[in-house]
This record gives sequence, C-alpha cells and structure tokens, in this order.
Amino acid sequence: DQQVKQNSPSLSVQEGRISILNCDYTNSMFDYFLWYKKYPAEGPTFLISISSIKDKNEDGRFTVFLNKSAKHLSLHIVPSQPGDSAVYFCAASSLSGGSNYKLTFGKGTLLTVNP
Amino acid sequence: NAGVTQTPKFRILKIGQSMTLQCTQDMNHNYMYWYRQDPGMGLKLIYYSVGAGITDKGEVPNGYNVSRSTTEDFPLRLELAAPSQTSVYFCASSYASQGYTFGSGTRLTVV
Repeated sequence: DQQVKQNSPSLSVQEGRISILNCDYTNSMFDYFLWYKKYPAEGPTFLISISSIKDKNEDGRFTVFLNKSAKHLSLHIVPSQPGDSAVYFCAASSLSGGSNYKLTFGKGTLLTVNP
Repeated sequence: NAGVTQTPKFRILKIGQSMTLQCTQDMNHNYMYWYRQDPGMGLKLIYYSVGAGITDKGEVPNGYNVSRSTTEDFPLRLELAAPSQTSVYFCASSYASQGYTFGSGTRLTVV
C-alpha cells in the first residue's frame, strides 16, 4: 500500500517556464513533508520542506504548497532551468506520531528542462 | 566536511555470499537510516537507528542486519546474498526533524 504517491513518472518543460510536481498521500498521520532532488549516481539532496501547520513554504525559485484536506502537495519551480533536470522525490513523516523521523518516499518524478 | 560516506560504491556478489556496506557520518547526527532503491521505485527503509546502541527494523528488513556501536558508523550486513537484494543502497543521517543528508549510494548486484 503506497502511502506517498507521485503519479507522474516524468515531466518535461521548457526553460524559463514553471514546473509543477505533484504528490498525494494517504496517511492522515503525516504532518511533515519534504522534497528531495536526485541526480544520476548521486544520493538525494534535501530541497524544501513544509509542516502541516503551514500551507505554503518558499525558498528562492522553489515553492511547496500543501492542501491538507485533499492530502496533496505540490512543488513549483519558477523559472525552470536546465540544471533542475533530475528525479524529484516527495517524502512524508509523522513527527507528532513519534516516527523517529522516518521518511516514507514516493516513487519519484523525472523532470527534464529543455533549453 | 565529508557528510555521509558510503563504501564501496559498486559491488558484485555471488548468491550466498555475504558483505558489509559501510556508512560513516561526521555531523554528529543521532539518527541514521538505510534505504534501498529499486528501479522505478521510491526509497524503502531497511533499518534505522536513533542513537548508538539502538536499532530498529524498517519496512523491508529481511535478509539484512545492522549495528550501531558509535554515533558515526552504521554498517549494513547482508549474510546470504540473494538476487532480490540487487539494488542501490543509500545511507542517510539526520538531526531530529531536519532533512536527511544522504550518502552517494552503493550499487549492489547479486548474480
């Protein structure tokens, strides 16, 4: 049973446009959400996070939106750059549930930004 | 500042062989984790540790063992390698709720 779902295996956008990556979750105990970026042959790197007490968090070109009622979050990248081409993983945790900060990951979305 | 270091980067094992994947972090993080990533799949938690001397099973622990004798080291042991253990293995560490720092991975093939 997949608790974190990234239904789009891949996404292709033009440089300068907006990239929107989506993520859905089923576990209502999740209260902390993160996005990781992964280049080939490297480990994932932390990108941005959001707590369930917020509905938006912004860091430069990256913004994460959280819709708790829909159990949905999205990552917006504006403007997209070729260097953003990577696999993006959505992850979730239940901090209030004593999860020991274990993360549950989605399958990832491969973003390709075309020059 | 090395972060999380994993060795080896690549390994080919024969069925039934054993090996240890090494993981060391120099950030004094209490929490450490082992994940595996199969093609087209997300990362699945194998084992984790909340501090030296404390380990616990994750989602897919069968066929693996871990130990945490120091804060820095969290080795993952495969006792009897099977083809189903062919995967990329990532070690990670964290300080409380801050995001994980991952190692660069170990690509293991069991033939």
